[in-house]
Amino acid sequence: AQKITQTQPGMFVQEKEAVTLDCTYDTSDPSYGLFWYKQPSSGEMIFLIYQGSYDQQNATEGRYSLNFQKARKSANLVISASQLGDSAMYFCAMREASGGYQKVTFGTGTKLQVIP
Amino acid sequence: EADIYQTPRYLVIGTGKKITLECSQTMGHDKMYWYQQDPGMELHLIHYSYGVNSTEKGDLSSESTVSRIRTEHFPLTLESARPSHTSQYLCASSKPRGTSGGRGETQYFGPGTRLLVL
Repeated sequence: AQKITQTQPGMFVQEKEAVTLDCTYDTSDPSYGLFWYKQPSSGEMIFLIYQGSYDQQNATEGRYSLNFQKARKSANLVISASQLGDSAMYFCAMREASGGYQKVTFGTGTKLQVIP
Repeated sequence: EADIYQTPRYLVIGTGKKITLECSQTMGHDKMYWYQQDPGMELHLIHYSYGVNSTEKGDLSSESTVSRIRTEHFPLTLESARPSHTSQYLCASSKPRGTSGGRGETQYFGPGTRLLVL
């Protein structure tokens, strides 16, 4: 089974609108962390937001928020007021314990394009 | 945030050449990682290190090797480059859990090296 599933290969959003990028995960580890990264065409991976499995509140970082639904094992990224510079690949990732070390697994990514 | 550097950013090289991809970080992070990523695809962990003189292979089998002689430096070497090694290589580092300000061992990435082997 896939550890991290991103079902949207590509998304379009109008500038200034909000957009939700989906991410579901699978783990039996009670302590885990969820991350979102942005990868522009230049190739670097930019950390956006983190949610711990025991965090009671959804994480927020500026225009980014993480809609964490633990029972559904989903960790969707919400970008409010989209900007042209938000056009990029977005990767969801999960940290969990595996064989004595903390393993991070990445999803296949969602390509977001912001339309003027 | 972490300052992590990779050189070169782009490398075009012929088959059979030995190459070393450099990665350095200035934040004193104990843990460092190398990922391989084909265009538009997910990242695959090829090597990681939990500290000086510690190196382990990741999930994706790779013909590359790594070393960790200094905390800040984690170079990756290919003894004999082949076209199948063409990819982007991303280096990352992280602090141990409990020291990362509640960010749960977030990995911070360098800008990547895009390798093309002809």
